[in-house]
Amino acid sequence: AQSVSQHNHHVILSEAASLELGCNYSYGGTVNLFWYVQYPGQHLQLLLKYFSGDPLVKGIKGFEAEFIKSKFSFNLRKPSVQWSDTAEYFCAVNVAGTASKLTFGTGTRLQVTL
Amino acid sequence: SQTIHQWPATLVQPVGSPLSLECTVEGTSNPNLYWYRQAAGRGLQLLFYSVGIGQISSEVPQNLSASRPQDRQFILSSKKLLLSDSGFYLCAWSEFAGTGYTFGSGTRLTVV
Repeated sequence: AQSVSQHNHHVILSEAASLELGCNYSYGGTVNLFWYVQYPGQHLQLLLKYFSGDPLVKGIKGFEAEFIKSKFSFNLRKPSVQWSDTAEYFCAVNVAGTASKLTFGTGTRLQVTL
Repeated sequence: SQTIHQWPATLVQPVGSPLSLECTVEGTSNPNLYWYRQAAGRGLQLLFYSVGIGQISSEVPQNLSASRPQDRQFILSSKKLLLSDSGFYLCAWSEFAGTGYTFGSGTRLTVV
């Protein structure tokens, strides 16, 4: 079964700092990869997803993620964070081509200070 | 367009009471349906998923059960709630290929 690790549990950054959140997955086959965000008091929202093709995926609100197959990683990046990026971020994976479950990491709480 | 409805938004129930949370999807047919529980520091844990009417897969042993009486309806139940059942419950749906998931607004359950 697949699993996901997010090593950063709580990250505090100042506005305009660069962001990189780590995500590693464990599965030997082809996977689909996702990043979700949950702003305080709001629903889970999809930031971006990777299925195939260009390993550098661009999402909403200036976020991007790079799939590095050799490292089983799908790290989330943003060049310059804003206070409004304060939220919890979840990496998730499912097995490509099946009606399968989405497995989430434990999440990273990002706090952006002014 | 597809929408997902989940209710109630909040619920406070005494220990030992029954539970029924309902989730319905509109605008699609034969969706995959999921129940997740979100706990602080533990991310989202998949509880149940269903690929069709009457087909339920359980991911973790627990005091809860799920049913899918209709194609677009997914119900999370318990006969007797425990304190440990408190949490935030999310329903989600995806198409068969699992390339996109939409989450409901969630139910905050507090067992007292």
